[in-house]
Amino acid sequence: TQLLEQSPQFLSIQEGENLTVYCNSSSVFSSLQWYRQEPGEGPVLLVTVVTGGEVKKLKRLTFQFGDARKDSSLHITAAQPGDTGLYLCAGATSGTYKYIFGTGTRLKVLA
Amino acid sequence: EAGVVQSPRYKIIEKKQPVAFWCNPISGHNTLYWYLQNLGQGPELLIRYENEEAVDDSQLPKDRFSAERLKGVDSTLKIQPAELGDSAVYLCASSLGTRRTTDTQYFGPGTRLTVL
Repeated sequence: TQLLEQSPQFLSIQEGENLTVYCNSSSVFSSLQWYRQEPGEGPVLLVTVVTGGEVKKLKRLTFQFGDARKDSSLHITAAQPGDTGLYLCAGATSGTYKYIFGTGTRLKVLA
Repeated sequence: EAGVVQSPRYKIIEKKQPVAFWCNPISGHNTLYWYLQNLGQGPELLIRYENEEAVDDSQLPKDRFSAERLKGVDSTLKIQPAELGDSAVYLCASSLGTRRTTDTQYFGPGTRLTVL
């Protein structure tokens, strides 16, 4: 059972456009991670956020953890074809050492 | 340094047959995870090992799935007998095992299983 809902499920945009992917839950997480997965490969960690309201930037990617630590967003500025992939959020609840993965957002950036 | 190694990369079997997947984690990583990933969805944890001990196997369907991590290094996941619904990608991941939720998991490329 997935506790983390991501939206949108699919997104196809032109190169240069901006986009935001959302990750929502009713649970409070002690930390939340974002991954990108390309076809035929395993997920690769992009960022970990642990503090409510925290914002982290990775080049053109901006990650935000909600104030209540129940949700997160990933914003990509000026998307490029190399950003194409499956974006996954994953949250860990306090006292556990495992992450629950979200439902995923499949992004395709057209040249 | 080599990443997480999994084999085989692809496997096609008929239903009711057994199948096994192998994983070699990154050297020095104490924690090893097996995940199941259906097409276009997020991975779901099957089992987590800390060294040779299975510390979380609550999501492992124990009637047909089994796993072992002898000597606390590489690991094998087995399905016997396989069912049509087992078709998926089986991912292995490892982490240092610092018992922190910020511990980074490194994933292997996965084994894509097709059950006919």
